[in-house]
Amino acid sequence: DIQMTQSPSAMSASVGDRVTITCRASQGISNYLAWFQQKPGKVPKRLIYASSSLQSGVPSRFSGSGSGTEFTLTISSLQPEDFATYYCLQHNSYPFTFGPGTKVDFK
Amino acid sequence: EVQLVESGGGLVQPGQSLRLSCTTSGFTFGDYAMSWVRQAPGKGLEWVGFIRSKAYGGTTEFAASVKGRFTISRDDSKSIAYLQMNSLKTEDTAVYYCTRGAGFVFADSWGQGTLVTVSS
Repeated sequence: DIQMTQSPSAMSASVGDRVTITCRASQGISNYLAWFQQKPGKVPKRLIYASSSLQSGVPSRFSGSGSGTEFTLTISSLQPEDFATYYCLQHNSYPFTFGPGTKVDFK
Repeated sequence: EVQLVESGGGLVQPGQSLRLSCTTSGFTFGDYAMSWVRQAPGKGLEWVGFIRSKAYGGTTEFAASVKGRFTISRDDSKSIAYLQMNSLKTEDTAVYYCTRGAGFVFADSWGQGTLVTVSS
């Protein structure tokens, strides 16, 4: 099975900060990598698919990059509504696996 | 508008069975694979399983943690996907979400989730 790790596991940031979250796969997954945002008590929301494609309706301050085993999610200027937990997901091979999540909260 | 609505959750005892439904609308259900994802209380997301569209054989894949206990089926005439859960364990307690799609469409839409609690 492919293991997904994320770093950091948690971070504190301020409005306007540039935030970068890293996701690593234990083996190559091409670009079958998606990023999700989840707020407390809410349904996960897909932000990025195919490693770097922005989901329709998602603000352009979110971007993704990477291929193979290392991927990043970047929020160029953190907004109040962006405080949430972020998960990466590989869907290159079964079983699909999520990263453990990165919680972004207020500094 | 794409909609996915899960139902069928509830409280069951260990060893019992439960069937969840994911009723969909707003898209051509038969063209899409469907997945189930769960989230235990206070924990992260876990992919549970997947059913391909009939065009791709309608076959299924499962996480090791549920393989042999859970099955997924679909009724394209009703636009519903099902998750049959047998031999439930306390560690199956979670909110269960259905999502649609495969490939780069995977998980673009989610239902609101249904809570399954396995406890004696």
